Amino acid sequence: GESVGLHLPTLSVQEGDNSIINCAYSNSASDYFIWYKQESGKGPQFIIDIRSNMDKRQGQRVTVLLNKTVKHLSLQIAATQPGDSAVYFCAEPEFSGTYKYIFGTGTRLKVLA
Amino acid sequence: EPEVTQTPSHQVTQMGQEVILRCVPISNHLYFYWYRQILGQKVEFLVSFYNNEISEKSEIFDDQFSVERPDGSNFTLKIRSTKLEDSAMYFCASSEAVISNQPQHFGDGTRLSIL
Repeated sequence: GESVGLHLPTLSVQEGDNSIINCAYSNSASDYFIWYKQESGKGPQFIIDIRSNMDKRQGQRVTVLLNKTVKHLSLQIAATQPGDSAVYFCAEPEFSGTYKYIFGTGTRLKVLA
Repeated sequence: EPEVTQTPSHQVTQMGQEVILRCVPISNHLYFYWYRQILGQKVEFLVSFYNNEISEKSEIFDDQFSVERPDGSNFTLKIRSTKLEDSAMYFCASSEAVISNQPQHFGDGTRLSIL
């Protein structure tokens, strides 16, 4: 049968503006979350992680916010640059013998010059 | 920075043929994984591997699939008799430990095209 690809939500931002990418997770018991960036033709690249005992974690130009009440994660990118254009995934580990990652659908970030 | 490397970057194979995808995980990592991503779809877990044996495998990882660590550096995924629906990007990943708050690091993948 014909396979139907996922329609990726797309966020378009002007270069220099801040970007906010959101993710909802399903397992309220998850204690760790990761954001990955995937550029065209490349594998998921680790950006930042956060443990569930934190609400916020900052990296270089990136901040992850965790709201456990509503099971929501966000990735904030400051002063977005053309090199930030990619698909961004949140992932949470699921344990069933080992920890495998369950990836979200992803959001495509387009940076407009 | 250490990285996971995968070869080849693109593999084209006739349906029914065997294919071996190769990975060199990060050198001090002990846990290895294969994921796949069908075009336009989510990244899906296939298998995890530790101490020379499979730790967990998904429903996708049927008898046509096998993994091996033939030496101290390589980690391979073999598909014995490829099908059209095996066409996908295959990503290898590794981690230092298999605890929940330990990131898995991914390679750039092998694009497998089955004709």
